[in-house]
Amino acid sequence: TQLLEQSPQFLSIQEGENLTVYCNSSSVFSSLQWYRQEPGEGPVLLVTVVTGGEVKKLKRLTFQFGDARKDSSLHITAAQPGDTGLYLCAVKVSGTYKYIFGTGTRLKVLA
Amino acid sequence: DAGITQSPRHKVTETGTPVTLRCHQTENHRYMYWYRQDPGHGLRLIHYSYGVKDTDKGEVSDGYSVSRSKTEDFLLTLESATSSQTSVYFCAISPRDTHDEQFFGPGTRLTVL
Repeated sequence: TQLLEQSPQFLSIQEGENLTVYCNSSSVFSSLQWYRQEPGEGPVLLVTVVTGGEVKKLKRLTFQFGDARKDSSLHITAAQPGDTGLYLCAVKVSGTYKYIFGTGTRLKVLA
Repeated sequence: DAGITQSPRHKVTETGTPVTLRCHQTENHRYMYWYRQDPGHGLRLIHYSYGVKDTDKGEVSDGYSVSRSKTEDFLLTLESATSSQTSVYFCAISPRDTHDEQFFGPGTRLTVL
């Protein structure tokens, strides 16, 4: 069974701080997605990373796909209260139409 | 906006009652999914569909059935609801011409008493 492990599970920081969250697996993936979910809403896609070593930036968010395509990180610079939410990574299981999600990192940014 | 709606948005029901949740999409995407989200478990796949009348099981399919008689609608049925099925249910679609991304509906909060 392929698993996606996310760390940390919970993170509470002050506005302006930097943070990194991780998504790890023992399997190789063709692509990996990051989502953010706010309370009472469905997850919203942030980015897809495809190439090993790829780095993508979305304003203050930097996403990296590991060289071996088994892991990924999300770095937030100068966090703001609007970054508060549940961050999920996800992959499609190779050869299927199925997806698996990590259990998420719940981030709270305090003003 | 992927044009996904779910109904109802909230439902309270009693153990043993049948329940049907509806997912509707407006963009004729082939792939549709049902997930449940519970604390400590993240999103878990219940069933998915890869076309009209084509469905398959996910990792937590016991106690659930699905139907897809037309492209735009994907129904999830709990034949006899149990308290363990209290959860938030999300529908998602996947446009296959992209890199495997999914787009989610707003969710249905189901409480089984």
